[in-house]
Amino acid sequence: GDSVTQMEGPVTLSEEAFLTINCTYTATGYPSLFWYVQYPGEGLQLLLKATKADDKGSNKGFEATYRKETTSFHLEKGSVQVSDSAVYFCALVNTGFQKLVFGTGTRLLVSP
Amino acid sequence: NAGVMQNPRHLVRRRGQEARLRCSPMKGHSHVYWYRQLPEEGLKFMVYLQKENIIDESGMPKERFSAEFPKEGPSILRIQQVVRGDSAAYFCASSLGQDQPQHFGDGTRLSIL
Repeated sequence: GDSVTQMEGPVTLSEEAFLTINCTYTATGYPSLFWYVQYPGEGLQLLLKATKADDKGSNKGFEATYRKETTSFHLEKGSVQVSDSAVYFCALVNTGFQKLVFGTGTRLLVSP
Repeated sequence: NAGVMQNPRHLVRRRGQEARLRCSPMKGHSHVYWYRQLPEEGLKFMVYLQKENIIDESGMPKERFSAEFPKEGPSILRIQQVVRGDSAAYFCASSLGQDQPQHFGDGTRLSIL
């Protein structure tokens, strides 16, 4: 079945450092890919998405490119802030199905 | 705030009791999804409903769990005879249509004593 694999955390960075969180997927067909962010005690917020190969999703300085050849959707940000500390989830939804398949999440801790 | 509303935010039950979790989708959304998040894990799909219909319940445990989304009122996830292993955060999401982004509520954190 479909699955998503994320790098394990926590990822600990200093403010203004470069961020990469790796995400790879296994899916039949042509899934849409998403990054969600979860702040403590809250639900998930959609951060960005890409619906087809070579699409780049971007939002709030974060970006990720849908790479079909490597089945990857790595999340990047050039300069992180303390307020970016949260858990980040990579997810996919496959064509014709409505259920999101999530990775296990990567906790990001940014220190001043 | 017209977001997805879940209540209660926290629910404590003793083993053997029933838990009822409510979800009001965003205005105009008729597609509702329930997910469960166990501690330190990602979210796992449970069930997908449209008004008065269960479309996909492939992630629902076979016993004790049920879900509904009536014509009027919120969607309800019901867990009968709760056990310790039911302790988790339960998230509801809604969308405008089948291929539209899902928007999540803040979840209900269920604790079983």
